[in-house]
Amino acid sequence: EAGVAQSPRYKIIEKRQSVAFWCNPISGHATLYWYQQILGQGPKLLIQFQNNGVVDDSQLPKDRFSAERLKGVDSTLKIQPAKLEDSAVYLCASSPGRVNYNEQFFGPGTRLTVL
Amino acid sequence: AQTVTQSQPEMSVQEAETVTLSCTYDTSESDYYLFWYKQPPSRQMILVIRQEAYKQQNATENRFSVNFQKAAKSFSLKISDSQLGDAAMYFCASSYNNNDMRFGAGTRLTVKP
Repeated sequence: EAGVAQSPRYKIIEKRQSVAFWCNPISGHATLYWYQQILGQGPKLLIQFQNNGVVDDSQLPKDRFSAERLKGVDSTLKIQPAKLEDSAVYLCASSPGRVNYNEQFFGPGTRLTVL
Repeated sequence: AQTVTQSQPEMSVQEAETVTLSCTYDTSESDYYLFWYKQPPSRQMILVIRQEAYKQQNATENRFSVNFQKAAKSFSLKISDSQLGDAAMYFCASSYNNNDMRFGAGTRLTVKP
């Protein structure tokens, strides 16, 4: 079974530039998550999708961050414009459904450096 | 607010020895789940063990076991017979409604040969 795929693995941009990250969840997984993991901290949930609908985006900085999950499969997370404090690893995860005990499967992450 | 606290930023253990990583959480929910995730240097996080709050029996997965103290809101991870491959960041996490997962800050485990 293929795991969660993310690209790119690394990205370096100047502040005020735009950047986009892509995630392909495990086939058949209805729920998709984007997390931000700042160095030395645990992952923080940015947004959660159930199929192609948003379940929770309460911690997403909506003035600069956006995300979509067209057709309920792949997802894209965008930052526009980027700030220095956006430097972090962006993790995508998926799970089969919304039941609490479901394990979340994580991708390798995208390391973003904003200069 | 849902919070998870890991008070040990770093821990070390001798190979083949036992180590315990601490975690406390705060919730007013009655139905929740607790997890330990391992994040090796490659950064792909994998589930180590999970515990349903309504179960009194502590979860066990091979060399990994938990000590779940519901009243104290404590959820520690014990690693027995530590191996070099156990070296990683370990994150404690809790999940409430809708699978919303909250993570602690992590504990970096070093295994000495």
